[in-house]
Amino acid sequence: GENVEQHPSTLSVQEGDSAVIKCTYSDSASNYFPWYKQELGKRPQLIIDIRSNVGEKKDQRIAVTLNKTAKHFSLHITETQPEDSAVYFCAATLRNSGNTPLVFGKGTRLSVIA
Amino acid sequence: GAVVSQHPSWVICKSGTSVKIECRSLDFQATTMFWYRQFPKQSLMLMATSNEGSKATYEQGVEKDKFLINHASLTLSTLTVTSAHPEDSSFYICSAPNQGVTDTQYFGPGTRLTVL
Repeated sequence: GENVEQHPSTLSVQEGDSAVIKCTYSDSASNYFPWYKQELGKRPQLIIDIRSNVGEKKDQRIAVTLNKTAKHFSLHITETQPEDSAVYFCAATLRNSGNTPLVFGKGTRLSVIA
Repeated sequence: GAVVSQHPSWVICKSGTSVKIECRSLDFQATTMFWYRQFPKQSLMLMATSNEGSKATYEQGVEKDKFLINHASLTLSTLTVTSAHPEDSSFYICSAPNQGVTDTQYFGPGTRLTVL
């Protein structure tokens, strides 16, 4: 089955700097890679996702890149703000009929220092 | 976006009792729902896949007789933790893919279970 590795486990950045979180996956059949942000005690919130037919996707300060050959994908947050502080999870799955679950990385605790 | 609700949001129970958690898709139908468990400072671990009209599929190491899943309708799945013990204390979250639209998975708000 799929296995997702995520690094780093913790990340501290100064406000305004960029943050990068990296994930690798094992199953070359996986074709959908979402990123979730989770605040303490709350549900994971989808912040961006990418499908295997594209290499990069951007939404304002957030971008995701995908390297299918190397089987890794990364989350980039630019101009970080204190409210970006949270735990971020990457995930991977084979998206076909919607009946396949997400496999999550172990998470990255991002702290943005004002 | 699509909305998934869970009830209750938190529950405290005595060891040995059973607890039922409901997961509902409010504005879309979900033939499949997923149940995850999240221990403090850890990731979401898939427990089982709930299928409307058929038996749930459990992940390795998850006891099907302890964690009973019933997908009663296209908008409701329930997880019952039977004979709960303190080690079952965790954050239980369901999710459902909105297959009719984007296949994006939407998470419920979670249920924090504390077993005394």
